[in-house]
Amino acid sequence: AQSVAQPEDQVNVAEGNPLTVKCTYSVSGNPYLFWYVQYPNRGLQFLLKYITGDNLVKGSYGFEAEFNKSQTSFHLKKPSALVSDSALYFCAVRDGGNTPLVFGKGTRLSVIA
Amino acid sequence: DSGVTQTPKHLITATGQRVTLRCSPRSGDLSVYWYQQSLDQGLQFLIQYYNGEERAKGNILERFSAQQFPDLHSELNLSSLELGDSALYFCASSVRGSPLHFGNGTRLTVT
Repeated sequence: AQSVAQPEDQVNVAEGNPLTVKCTYSVSGNPYLFWYVQYPNRGLQFLLKYITGDNLVKGSYGFEAEFNKSQTSFHLKKPSALVSDSALYFCAVRDGGNTPLVFGKGTRLSVIA
Repeated sequence: DSGVTQTPKHLITATGQRVTLRCSPRSGDLSVYWYQQSLDQGLQFLIQYYNGEERAKGNILERFSAQQFPDLHSELNLSSLELGDSALYFCASSVRGSPLHFGNGTRLTVT
């Protein structure tokens, strides 16, 4: 069965600094990896995905994520954080096909001006 | 706007009662997923339907049931409600291989 770990409940970063939100995964086959963001009182919004190909994936709002197979990680990154990036971020994985996504517990990102 | 519509937005009910949550997927999406989000459990997968058929089951209690209708909308039925069922319930839809698109959720409060 697949699983996702987000080791940090909270990440604080100053505006303009780079940010990283960590994610590690476990899956039996080839991983399909996703990042979603949730703003207050809203549903989850898709940011980016890795299926195959280049290990560095670019997504919405300037976010990118790096797939590392040997470390089974898929960390979310952004070169310069904005206050408006403050939200709850979820990493998710599935093992291909049309199987349901399994989500991590989420990491709350706080960008301080 | 994700294109996924969930109603109602808020629901307050008493223990022991039964409620129905409704979801209309994005146009063309055949798969519907239900998730429960609570503070202590995070986002838990409940059940998936594909074109009217149950496709996968997660941590769904026996008191909960769901169905997907011919017009592809879905309903999640929660019965014999307990205080611990208070949570945000999300519906998501997709076509094969595409990311999930989430509705804004139904906030259920059981008193």
